This record gives sequence, structure tokens and C-alpha cells, in this order.
Amino acid sequence: EAGVAQSPRYKIIEKRQSVAFWCNPISGHATLYWYQQILGQGPKLLIQFQNNGVVDDSQLPKDRFSAERLKGVDSTLKIQPAKLEDSAVYLCASSPPGQGALSTRLFFGEGSRLTVL
Amino acid sequence: GQQLNQSPQSMFIQEGEDVSMNCTSSSIFNTWLWYKQDPGEGPVLLIALYKAGELTSNGRLTAQFGITRKDSFLNISASIPSDVGIYFCAGHTISGKLIFGQGTTLQVKP
Repeated sequence: EAGVAQSPRYKIIEKRQSVAFWCNPISGHATLYWYQQILGQGPKLLIQFQNNGVVDDSQLPKDRFSAERLKGVDSTLKIQPAKLEDSAVYLCASSPPGQGALSTRLFFGEGSRLTVL
Repeated sequence: GQQLNQSPQSMFIQEGEDVSMNCTSSSIFNTWLWYKQDPGEGPVLLIALYKAGELTSNGRLTAQFGITRKDSFLNISASIPSDVGIYFCAGHTISGKLIFGQGTTLQVKP
């Protein structure tokens, strides 16, 4: 079974530029998450999708961050304009459908490492 | 907001030793998950816990869901060099949000 795919793996940009990250979840997984992981910290949820609807975006800095999952499968996360403090690894995760215990298990991609200069 | 306090922050042990790390919170959690993250990789799920008091093993790993639902621990027995990495606890809040601890960095000396 293919895992969560993310691209690009690495991106270096200057502040005020824009960047976009792409994620393709595990086939059949209805829920998709974007997490931000700053060096030395645990992942922090940015946004959670259920199919193509937003479940939680309370910690997404909406003045500069946006995310979409138009067809309920893959997703993009955009930052515009980027700030120095946005330097982090952006992790995408997905979880199986349903209400049972398995639906609480998140499977992560390898992440996209962003460096803002 | 809800926070998970994970300790210790880092550990440096000898190969063969046992390891214990824990997570605590002032809030109640519905599930506890333990992840391991290797450099340059995403977190990988090790153990999932769903009931207060539940004790679950996965090979040399053992984890428990605290009775109060506010804490969890992870034990690794007979550590080996490939156990090196960062271990994260994570818990689902009552509202369904998954929150991560700050991580425990484990280094194993051969």
C-alpha cells in the first residue's frame, strides 16, 4: 500500500515570496491533515479536511496560509507571503474513514522542509 | 489551550538498557498515540491506546493509557541502536483534535 506522498521535499525561498506544497493521501483515507513542525517541537495542526470540507482550521494563519482539497483527494497548502518564522517542516497526514478506533490513527508523509531566508 | 507535557526532553543511554518516557496533561484525552520520528522523515505510529488503564505492547515497546486519562507512558526494553530517534506522544482531545507533545530525543550508545 502506497503511503502519503508529499512534494517538494525541500524548498528554499526568500521572505515575502510564495510557496505551495502538495499532498496525496493514502487511497481511501477520507481525512487529511496539514501539520507544521518547527525544529525541536512537536507537530502543530494547521488544518483538517474531511473529504473536501474543512473540519478544523482554527490554528491556520489565514492572512497568509491557505489550503484546499477540491476533489476530496489530494491537497495543496500555500503560503503567501512567507515570513522567516514559517521555516519548518510541513507534514501531511491522512486517516482511514469511519468512527472506530482505526480512524484515529494518522499516517504521515515524509514532510516538506521549508527554509525562508 | 490544551497541552501535553512530555518528559524527559532527551535521554542518552547505553545499548541494552530500558527506557521510560511519559506524557502528562491537565486535560482529559480520549486516545493516546505514540509516534517515532527519524531525521528527515515523518512520524511513524508505534502504539495506539483507546481505554483508560489499557496496557499495550508492540515487541519491545509497552505503553499504558493512564487511569485518570490525563497521562500515558512508553517503555522500551533492551534498547538497540536503531531505537535512536524522537518519540512523540499524541492525544485526541474530547473535541477530537490530535495534539502532540514536544518530543523525547533518544540516543543509544553501542
